Amino acid sequence: GAVVSQHPSRVICKSGTSVKIECRSLDFQATTMFWYRQFPKQSLMLMATSNEGSKATYEQGVEKDKFLINHASLTLSTLTVTSAHPEDSSFYICSAQDVQGAYGYTFGSGTRLTVV
Amino acid sequence: QQQVKQSPQSLIVQKGGISIINCAYENTAFDYFPWYQQFPGKGPALLIAIRPDVSEKKEGRFTISFNKSAKQFSLHIMDSQPGDSATYFCAASMNTGNQFYFGTGTSLTVIP
Repeated sequence: GAVVSQHPSRVICKSGTSVKIECRSLDFQATTMFWYRQFPKQSLMLMATSNEGSKATYEQGVEKDKFLINHASLTLSTLTVTSAHPEDSSFYICSAQDVQGAYGYTFGSGTRLTVV
Repeated sequence: QQQVKQSPQSLIVQKGGISIINCAYENTAFDYFPWYQQFPGKGPALLIAIRPDVSEKKEGRFTISFNKSAKQFSLHIMDSQPGDSATYFCAASMNTGNQFYFGTGTSLTVIP
């Protein structure tokens, strides 16, 4: 089945530094990838939708200059949290859809970001 | 505005019992309704999904019941097991390539 690899699974960084999270579709090509944020015991909140070769579409209230998304190829999207602060600490999850446009979305295993 | 409403927030069921989680939606343009299972520290995994042209779909111990007129759908877990203890999210989407709208999640605990 479709597999989405997300890396790293955990990262601790100092306040003010930047962190990059990678999301790769391993056995399919993904035209569209989604980035979510999840707080403890809460639902997934969509942050942005990235389409290969074009600018990401950010949800209302998400700072595009803080959460930089790049979808340079059909198998890789990256989320960079710039100038991270403790309030950015969260669980970030990506999901991908294949180019055939099938309804199934596959989620990555998530990245636990802790900013100290 | 919560596009998909999910209940209950938490659920405790004895081993062997039936777990039932309910979701409701307003947007009649939704045409795909998946359920996801999430274990702590992991991403959600697709459990089962249904489209509005059928009223029920069963896969093993998991069944989705769909009521189009009421705009409601539910997940039934038969013979619940401790290994089913996880958080379950319902979701809805419209058309191919569009985002999912997730419910608020249900924390299921199955006690031995």
